[in-house]
Amino acid sequence: GNSVTQMEGPVTLSEEAFLTINCTYTATGYPSLFWYVQYPGEGLQLLLKATKADDKGSNKGFEATYRKETTSFHLEKGSVQVSDSAVYFCALSPYSSASKIIFGSGTRLSIRP
Amino acid sequence: GAVVSQHPSRVICKSGTSVKIECRSLDFQATTMFWYRQFPKQSLMLMATSNEGSKATYEQGVEKDKFLINHASLTLSTLTVTSAHPEDSSFYICSAIPFGGAGTDTQYFGPGTRLTVL
Repeated sequence: GNSVTQMEGPVTLSEEAFLTINCTYTATGYPSLFWYVQYPGEGLQLLLKATKADDKGSNKGFEATYRKETTSFHLEKGSVQVSDSAVYFCALSPYSSASKIIFGSGTRLSIRP
Repeated sequence: GAVVSQHPSRVICKSGTSVKIECRSLDFQATTMFWYRQFPKQSLMLMATSNEGSKATYEQGVEKDKFLINHASLTLSTLTVTSAHPEDSSFYICSAIPFGGAGTDTQYFGPGTRLTVL
């Protein structure tokens, strides 16, 4: 079956620190992979995505590379800001985000000034 | 653009009553909407896929008579939790896919509705 496992939070970092949130997946076939972000009081927003092996998704300074050999899609950012404080969800879809999405449990990130 | 709203944002009801949650696409039309449920510190779990003008498709283990879904227009889907019980207390989130044009491969999510059943 399809599943997503991501590191548990909460994660607390100081501003300008390097961020990594680990995500691994189990899937049949060739899924698309996503990172969603949920800011306080708002709906989930697509942060970035990758649709095939070795693709790198990037947005707002965040990056994640689709690693088929390690079944991973780790989220990274070189220098975090207070405004990055949010809950981050790793997710996969068998086809595209227009179809069923399977989410990880979410990681709460808090950035200290 | 591509904003999805949910109403109400929070609702508290007594056990045995029914509660309706609305999901609206504000600036686009959506033939497909999804309903998710999220327990504290857990993943979002897909409950059902709602298609405009047809019956919803429910995921395995989701009671269709318990969670009634109606997608009567291209901008509105409703989820009614019938005869609610405390175990139905949860965070319910909807998403919508734009009909035609750009962004049709992206789900846009609402802010969620917190249901508490006493």
